[in-house]
Amino acid sequence: NAGVTQTPKFRILKIGQSMTLQCAQDMNHNYMYWYRQDPGMGLKLIYYSVGAGITDKGEVPNGYNVSRSTTEDFPLRLELAAPSQTSVYFCASAEGGEGSYEQYFGPGTRLTVT
Amino acid sequence: KNQVEQSPQSLIILEGKNCTLQCNYTVSPFSNLRWYKQDTGRGPVSLTIMTFSENTKSNGRYTATLDADTKQSSLHITASQLSDSASYICVVSGNFGNEKLTFGTGTRLTIIP
Repeated sequence: NAGVTQTPKFRILKIGQSMTLQCAQDMNHNYMYWYRQDPGMGLKLIYYSVGAGITDKGEVPNGYNVSRSTTEDFPLRLELAAPSQTSVYFCASAEGGEGSYEQYFGPGTRLTVT
Repeated sequence: KNQVEQSPQSLIILEGKNCTLQCNYTVSPFSNLRWYKQDTGRGPVSLTIMTFSENTKSNGRYTATLDADTKQSSLHITASQLSDSASYICVVSGNFGNEKLTFGTGTRLTIIP
């Protein structure tokens, strides 16, 4: 199993550009999550999904959109990129959403907006 | 406000020595507490998950303790190795599932030969 994969690894965007961060998992997990990690800060939840066709906002959703058309894929869309979106983005998946289900993280995408 | 505070922010120790990292939290209600290891440029990897009824859990040379009364946890690393150099993140879950995790900012551990 590849686990959770993310593409691209690195990206530089100009202010106002758009892009999609890709995330895929091959563990047949229903729950998927997008986080951002800023220097010196804990991870913050952007969006999450409890299954195909179902998504919900996390703590910091502004400026982002997601979709979940399949169990495997959970892309994150950035519209009109801003310097405040410079961060490292992590996708994660879990078998369940309650209790002690472990989250499995992807390797991350480092995004710079200039 | 739910918070997770970790100390120290950074730590440097000699290879082979032991160390203990601390985590204090104010998350309420409490469901479970997790410790993750994050290598530079990689995603976090789970080390342990403890519920309120567990006060210790081990994973190889890593031993986590939890005191739910004082809302404190520690991660003890025994006989450190160079590969232990990483950030260690404490994460606390409330009763609302994985979408309500509160992440600490991590302790940056450096092991020197």
